[in-house]
Amino acid sequence: EAGVAQSPRYKIIEKRQSVAFWCNPISGHATLYWYQQILGQGPKLLIQFQNNGVVDDSQLPKDRFSAERLKGVDSTLKIQPAKLEDSAVYLCASRLGTGSNYGYTFGSGTRLTVV
Amino acid sequence: QKEVEQDPGPLSVPEGAIVSLNCTYSNSAFQYFMWYRQYSRKGPELLMYTYSSGNKEDGRFTAQVDKSSKYISLFIRDSQPSDSATYLCATFSGGYQKVTFGTGTKLQVIP
Repeated sequence: EAGVAQSPRYKIIEKRQSVAFWCNPISGHATLYWYQQILGQGPKLLIQFQNNGVVDDSQLPKDRFSAERLKGVDSTLKIQPAKLEDSAVYLCASRLGTGSNYGYTFGSGTRLTVV
Repeated sequence: QKEVEQDPGPLSVPEGAIVSLNCTYSNSAFQYFMWYRQYSRKGPELLMYTYSSGNKEDGRFTAQVDKSSKYISLFIRDSQPSDSATYLCATFSGGYQKVTFGTGTKLQVIP
């Protein structure tokens, strides 16, 4: 089974620039998550999709962050404009279902540095 | 108060030692408990997944949950250098509810 694919692996941008990350979840996984992991901290949920609908985006800074999941498969996360504090690893995870037996599978993440 | 508290370490032990990693949580609604291992520059990898209180064993790893004290533990027996990683505890109440992670404990097993 192929894992969760993310690209790019690394990105360096200047503050106020825009950036986009892409995620392809495991085939058949209906639930997709974007997490932000700042160095030395645990992952923090930004947005959760169930198929192509948003379930939870309460911690997404909507003035600068946006995400979409077209056709309930791939997803993109965009930051515009970026700030220095957005430097972090952005992790995508997917899950087959929401029942008790289903764990998350994470991608390797995109490491963003804002200078 | 954070919902999930975890000592960030770092924790350094000799090869073969028994390692104890711990978390506490504040929300009594949490029912599902997980431990993830994260190697440097990699995404977290699910190690253990437990429901409610009790113990679960998988090889050298044992996860323990005590809901009465809101305490989660991961024990690693016969630790190996390959166990050197950051260990994240995580928990949620079920269904569509979000998973909350601890900050992670960095473990180094010295040969």
